[in-house]
Amino acid sequence: SQQGEEDPQALSIQEGENATMNCSYKTSINNLQWYRQNSGRGLVHLILIRSNEREKHSGRLRVTLDTSKKSSSLLITASRAADTASYFCATDANRANNLFFGTGTRLTVIP
Amino acid sequence: DAGVIQSPRHEVTEMGQEVTLRCKPISGHNSLFWYRQTMMRGLELLIYFNNNVPIDDSGMPEDRFSAKMPNASFSTLKIQPSEPRDSAVYFCASSLGLAGRSSYNEQFFGPGTRLTVL
Repeated sequence: SQQGEEDPQALSIQEGENATMNCSYKTSINNLQWYRQNSGRGLVHLILIRSNEREKHSGRLRVTLDTSKKSSSLLITASRAADTASYFCATDANRANNLFFGTGTRLTVIP
Repeated sequence: DAGVIQSPRHEVTEMGQEVTLRCKPISGHNSLFWYRQTMMRGLELLIYFNNNVPIDDSGMPEDRFSAKMPNASFSTLKIQPSEPRDSAVYFCASSLGLAGRSSYNEQFFGPGTRLTVL
């Protein structure tokens, strides 16, 4: 079974608004990553946050990690139409040698 | 670097035929992953290699699926015989190191092969 579960499954917002996506996981991790997938394309790595970090920023992206709640959130500020994509969280559950991907959040940014 | 290269990009075949998907990882990466993505099941890890050695193939759905990595720059995923339920997008990804052993376990995905089995 997949390790991560994203919430919501789908999100539709107006351009310029902020988008928040959440990810919950089940076991201990070394790090958590977020990926984006544009329609018909492969996944692209966005940001990695280690288990000893609580918050990380990259451009318009802000990621938080709460290991006590086994959850993470991805915030995209000042969204653009080009941000329309599916977003996945991935964890190395139980410090395994592979990543477990969640089910994804489908984000639609309306121009 | 050209990134992860997959071929073909699209494959349409008839049930019972053999299908071979190919992947060239990023040079210098020592881990390679094969995934399958469908609407119903999402992204599933099929098998992964480290230093050309298969580490975990528990995600391979059945004996019809096989994967090889004869050298550091090439891997194949073969389905024989193919069935309509194998229709999906198959992704190959590579990374510098393995999750849990390195902080550099970011995976780089290829563009995928869209397989349709009629």
